[in-house]
Amino acid sequence: GAVVSQHPSRVICKSGTSVKIECRSLDFQATTMFWYRQFPKKSLMLMATSNEGSKATYEQGVEKDKFLINHASLTLSTLTVTSAHPEDSSFYICSAKVRRGRYEQYFGPGTRLTVT
Amino acid sequence: AQKVTQAQTEISVVEKEDVTLDCVYETRDTTYYLFWYKQPPSGELVFLIRRNSFDEQNEISGRYSWNFQKSTSSFNFTITASQVVDSAVYFCALSALIQGAQKLVFGQGTRLTINP
Repeated sequence: GAVVSQHPSRVICKSGTSVKIECRSLDFQATTMFWYRQFPKKSLMLMATSNEGSKATYEQGVEKDKFLINHASLTLSTLTVTSAHPEDSSFYICSAKVRRGRYEQYFGPGTRLTVT
Repeated sequence: AQKVTQAQTEISVVEKEDVTLDCVYETRDTTYYLFWYKQPPSGELVFLIRRNSFDEQNEISGRYSWNFQKSTSSFNFTITASQVVDSAVYFCALSALIQGAQKLVFGQGTRLTINP
């Protein structure tokens, strides 16, 4: 149980285009989902926290107009990188919490974005 | 401050050697959780263990063992009789209350290479 999927696993896009990454909890309902970014050989950096039905809370320094997050249902959150630039190339990982008050986060397999 | 420090950036050992990965944390929470994750080259985070702040018992799971010491704010991870498949980046993480929300704070990670 507690499986989180991400789609796509890899994406290459051209500068200026937008790309959407989906994060789904497959066998549980996730009231909260998190989006992380990981640069090569670096740690995970929390970008934003999204709660179902409300606006995402972004970490300091993360552009909310650049990284649009939508948590439309209890099993789906999406991250859209708008007007992508090469510096947006990174590994993006989502995670999901079963319900409020619980500490466990279940991680997706990650999406590798390359912007050319 | 809520912080996790993994001072060892890279460790390289020969197969069958024992290896210990260090983790030191800082938190002002009285209740918190500590985690270890493994990230193989595929990128997916693999959950290894969760420990709550009230449970200082050491834990052993096969070749893996963890030593939690509140007095030194450390949560070290030991692999006994290491194998090549143990090669990965290992992250220590702290679940902390930050700006009213429970978030995971990751250490910088330790890249472990087990040589045959």
